Amino acid sequence: DGGITQSPKYLFRKEGQNVTLSCEQNLNHDAMYWYRQDPGQGLRLIYYSQIVNDFQKGDIAEGYSVSREKKESFPLTVTSAQKNPTAFYLCASSYSWTEAFFGQGTRLTVV
Amino acid sequence: GQQVMQIPQYQHVQEGEDFTTYCNSSTTLSNIQWYKQRPGGHPVFLIQLVKSGEVKKQKRLTFQFGEAKKNSSLHITATQTTDVGTYFCAGPMEYGNKLVFGAGTILRVKS
Repeated sequence: DGGITQSPKYLFRKEGQNVTLSCEQNLNHDAMYWYRQDPGQGLRLIYYSQIVNDFQKGDIAEGYSVSREKKESFPLTVTSAQKNPTAFYLCASSYSWTEAFFGQGTRLTVV
Repeated sequence: GQQVMQIPQYQHVQEGEDFTTYCNSSTTLSNIQWYKQRPGGHPVFLIQLVKSGEVKKQKRLTFQFGEAKKNSSLHITATQTTDVGTYFCAGPMEYGNKLVFGAGTILRVKS
């Protein structure tokens, strides 16, 4: 069954702690994206990747890091440098600039 | 930088009334995509428009792409409670390498 999977669904982070959000897709898509969504707000691009071992910063990359070691995987690390990390994080994949498929999202809360 | 702007931010309509959301890009787009996000869910692809002046329909939803390929609209005829959610437009930016979303229009339908 093809799709894009994010885990965990809910994540709690202590102040000063790094956490990694998982994103895996079996759609054979080249492009993968990470977006952040705050309550009642739109989708802001954090990082994106078009090919393995290459990725670019989006509009709000500060305090985040990513890797793209495999085509199927694009994990996002929220570092302690991100001062306001509480948000809904969405991973998506697509064939370049066409229809994007989204994962179910991860809700991150700082405790 | 390259942006996709969307209005209105929020609209509350009576069931049966029509609804329209508008999207404007700072640059010419190769395509425009529309997504719907139900409350608590993730964005789901609705449609992609590619041609200048293109109009597509999906039941009560009508999508238009402007002649200059810089603006688009989504019109819903006779809204229903199932139409509730946030509607996003999105377009490829920076030579198609990244997908940028508008801020979204939140639609609430009163029955």
